[in-house]
Amino acid sequence: GNSVTQMEGPVTLSEEAFLTINCTYTATGYPSLFWYVQYPGEGLQLLLKATKADDKGSNKGFEATYRKETTSFHLEKGSVQVSDSAVYFCALSPPGGGADGLTFGKGTHLIIQP
Amino acid sequence: DGGITQSPKYLFRKEGQNVTLSCEQNLNHDAMYWYRQDPGQGLRLIYYSQIVNDFQKGDIAEGYSVSREKKESFPLTVTSAQKNPTAFYLCASSIQGAATEAFFGQGTRLTVV
Repeated sequence: GNSVTQMEGPVTLSEEAFLTINCTYTATGYPSLFWYVQYPGEGLQLLLKATKADDKGSNKGFEATYRKETTSFHLEKGSVQVSDSAVYFCALSPPGGGADGLTFGKGTHLIIQP
Repeated sequence: DGGITQSPKYLFRKEGQNVTLSCEQNLNHDAMYWYRQDPGQGLRLIYYSQIVNDFQKGDIAEGYSVSREKKESFPLTVTSAQKNPTAFYLCASSIQGAATEAFFGQGTRLTVV
């Protein structure tokens, strides 16, 4: 079946540091890939997405590239801010959509210290 | 504005009581989902519905029930059979049959007192 694996947290960085959160997936065919962000006490918000191999999703300074050869979709940001502190979820949707929705990773808690 | 609305934001329940969490969407999505999130944990699927008057159990359906009488609404009832109901509950919706993103509500935090 489909699965998403992302690095365990918490990840603690200083402000202006470079961020990488690793995400790898297992799926047949070419799934669509997503990064969601969850701020404390809130629901999940879509951060970025990519729907085919070599696509780069980007938003708010975050980027992720869909790498079919390594089945990865790592999230990166060049200079993090305290306001980026949140939980980040990597997710996939199989081709044609899955009957039970997206498959999520377990989430990575990011803490940015001033 | 189109979106998905959960209410209430905070809910307190006495042991042995049933409570119902509301989820309404005006995105014209066919598919809707309920997830449970515990502190420091990921999302676990409770129930999902692909179309009106039809729904399926997810990974942790025991102690929960749902209905889907209208396309816009997918309420979740936490019954007294749910032994550990204190958690954060998230509702989501998406376009059925397409590999598109899901849209989430703001969540309901349920606490058993």
